[in-house]
Amino acid sequence: GAVVSQHPSRVICKSGTSVKIECRSLDFQATTMFWYRQFPKQSLMLMATSNEGSKATYEQGVEKDKFLINHASLTLSTLTVTSAHPEDSSFYICSARDPGGTRVTQYFGPGTRLLVL
Amino acid sequence: AQTVTQSQPEMSVQEAETVTLSCTYDTSESDYYLFWYKQPPSRQMILVIRQEAYKQQNATENRFSVNFQKAAKSFSLKISDSQLGDAAMYFCAYRSAWYSGGGADGLTFGKGTHLIIQP
Repeated sequence: GAVVSQHPSRVICKSGTSVKIECRSLDFQATTMFWYRQFPKQSLMLMATSNEGSKATYEQGVEKDKFLINHASLTLSTLTVTSAHPEDSSFYICSARDPGGTRVTQYFGPGTRLLVL
Repeated sequence: AQTVTQSQPEMSVQEAETVTLSCTYDTSESDYYLFWYKQPPSRQMILVIRQEAYKQQNATENRFSVNFQKAAKSFSLKISDSQLGDAAMYFCAYRSAWYSGGGADGLTFGKGTHLIIQP
């Protein structure tokens, strides 16, 4: 299957700073990537859809000015958590859509654990 | 909006036995996709199986099979010959078949079922 990587795997930052998380499709081109957030012992919640060369689409309740998404190339999407606060601490997971014919299945990155002190 | 419900927060099964995880969903759409993903302690999401709503035949992947009941909006996962490596969180997920370029083709997940395999 398609391989998706994320960097960093974990990050600790001080409150008020910004953190950038990268999501890369390693062996395929992804015009669309997705960003999810998972709180401890909870499910994944879709935050936004990242489209190469255009603005991201955010889910209701997700602050676009706080969670900046850039999809500048066909293999890279970045999520920047601006002015992070302790309540932003979570597990962030990206995915990319299957590049094959159906373009249905999503392949997930290994996730990034963010801890804001 | 679509919703996905997994009513079993935790399930336990003896190694080599069979276990069924339940999932129901609510949608007004007629065409969509359903998935089961596995999340082991590493937290890497792994696709287990996929079902297209327009297909009547239930999907199977080795020891994993689904019972897809479209009218009842039910999509259960059966794991046969359970192995220790099957221990994980299992998430049922829904995706619309309509591609709008926006969040419509993101996944809607259930809350998950924690599967414990007893040796």
